[in-house]
Amino acid sequence: SAVISQKPSRDICQRGTSLTIQCQVDSQVTMMFWYRQQPGQSLTLIATANQGSEATYESGFVIDKFPISRPNLTFSTLTVSNMSPEDSSIYLCSVEGPPRAFFGQGTRLTVV
Amino acid sequence: DAKTTQPPSMDCAEGRAANLPCNHSTISGNEYVYWYRQIHSQGPQYIIHGLKNNETNEMASLIITEDRKSSTLILPHATLRDTAVYYCIEWAGANNLFFGTGTRLTVIP
Repeated sequence: SAVISQKPSRDICQRGTSLTIQCQVDSQVTMMFWYRQQPGQSLTLIATANQGSEATYESGFVIDKFPISRPNLTFSTLTVSNMSPEDSSIYLCSVEGPPRAFFGQGTRLTVV
Repeated sequence: DAKTTQPPSMDCAEGRAANLPCNHSTISGNEYVYWYRQIHSQGPQYIIHGLKNNETNEMASLIITEDRKSSTLILPHATLRDTAVYYCIEWAGANNLFFGTGTRLTVIP
């Protein structure tokens, strides 16, 4: 199993600012995934982060808006840049620990 | 697009069995059926998974039809704490999970 710690758990931010979300895993993992969950919606994959290479972004998400770092096999950050109220969502990181995937508890972001 | 189909919502009386259906008619031979749930916007929680045999663990039972085109998650004695959104997902591992809209289960006292 894998235990994932996400920080912060929640934040309220001013529009135009940026927030960096941290994801720490208690074991080494190859791939880490970042998801967004908009209010009342399901989870949508933002990007896949592999250690030592640039993140792979899904359609509709770009690196300038959601830069990701993956400095080692246990840690990743997602930055939400130049925020607007439309970025208000829950952001979750996930890792694959076969035979299942594990999720952090999420970061609830409100942009005002 | 989601590859599984689930009813958007269901109610279940507390103490009764909750039976949550899922259609996955296009599932590939190497894909498992996974069930996760999300309680009040917390991170998704793993429940159970299976390939073709029925499975049971401390949380639930999973019944998969012989043709693997559908399955049912059974919570044998639903409690109020089982109120959540339940996601049925096809997954072969090694990549991200694709979440559909799930079933919102409400357990009624």
